[in-house]
Amino acid sequence: QSVLTQPPSVSGTPGQRVTMSCSGSSSNIGVNSVNWYQQVPGTAPRLLMFNSNQRPSGVPERFSGSKSVTSASLAISGLQSEDEADYYCTAWDDSLNSRVFGGGTKLTVL
Amino acid sequence: QVQLQQWGAGLLKASETLSVTCAVSGGSLSGYYWIWIRQSPGKGLEWIGEINHSGNTNYNPSLKSRVTVSADTSKNQFSLQVTSVTAGDTAVYYCARGRGRGTRMGVWGQGTTVIVSS
Repeated sequence: QSVLTQPPSVSGTPGQRVTMSCSGSSSNIGVNSVNWYQQVPGTAPRLLMFNSNQRPSGVPERFSGSKSVTSASLAISGLQSEDEADYYCTAWDDSLNSRVFGGGTKLTVL
Repeated sequence: QVQLQQWGAGLLKASETLSVTCAVSGGSLSGYYWIWIRQSPGKGLEWIGEINHSGNTNYNPSLKSRVTVSADTSKNQFSLQVTSVTAGDTAVYYCARGRGRGTRMGVWGQGTTVIVSS
C-alpha cells in the first residue's frame, strides 16, 4: 500500500492529451514539492518534473505538472508512442520522515 | 556531467548481507544527498535510505533495523548494506543523487539486480 495514490493505468491515442493524478495528504504533498519520474521497463527512472511543475532540461514542453492542496497531476499533450512508460510521483513525508512514492501509473499509447 | 556507476553481488542466500556500491564520476559527494531506491520484480519504486553531505542518514522505517548507508569521500563513492536478507529483498537496487532532503533525484545509476535464494 503506497502512501501516495496513483491510478494503475491510463491510456490514449497518439496526439491526445492525457493526465494522471497523485493523491497524498497534509504531511507530504500538502507541504512539500512533488517530483515525477518516467520509467521505461528495463531502464532506470528518469526525472520528468520537479517542484511540482518544473521541467528539467531535455524534457519536452508537452509534459506539464500541477499541484493543488494535497494532490498533484501530470499532463502529457500531443501523446507519442515513446511516452509509453510507467510514471511515479514522489514527495517527502514530514510525519514518516521518509521519501514516499506512488504505486506508479502505466501509460499505454494505443 | 555527473554519472553514477554501481556494482554489487547479484546472487545471495537468505540471511547473508547485501552490499552495493555506487561510484560518482564527474563531480564530488559534497553538497548533495546520496540515495538508494529499490524495485522488486513487477512492483513500484521503494525508498531505502540516504546520506547527505554532512554524513547524516535517513532510512525507510520498515527497513531501518537492517540498512546502513555510508559514504567514502576519499573514493568518491557511497554504499548500501542490508543485513539478514530474505527473498523479499530480491529487487533491482538503484543509486541516485538528490539536491536535498526529499528533493529531485536528477542522476541515477544503471541499477543492480540482486536475487536472494532460500
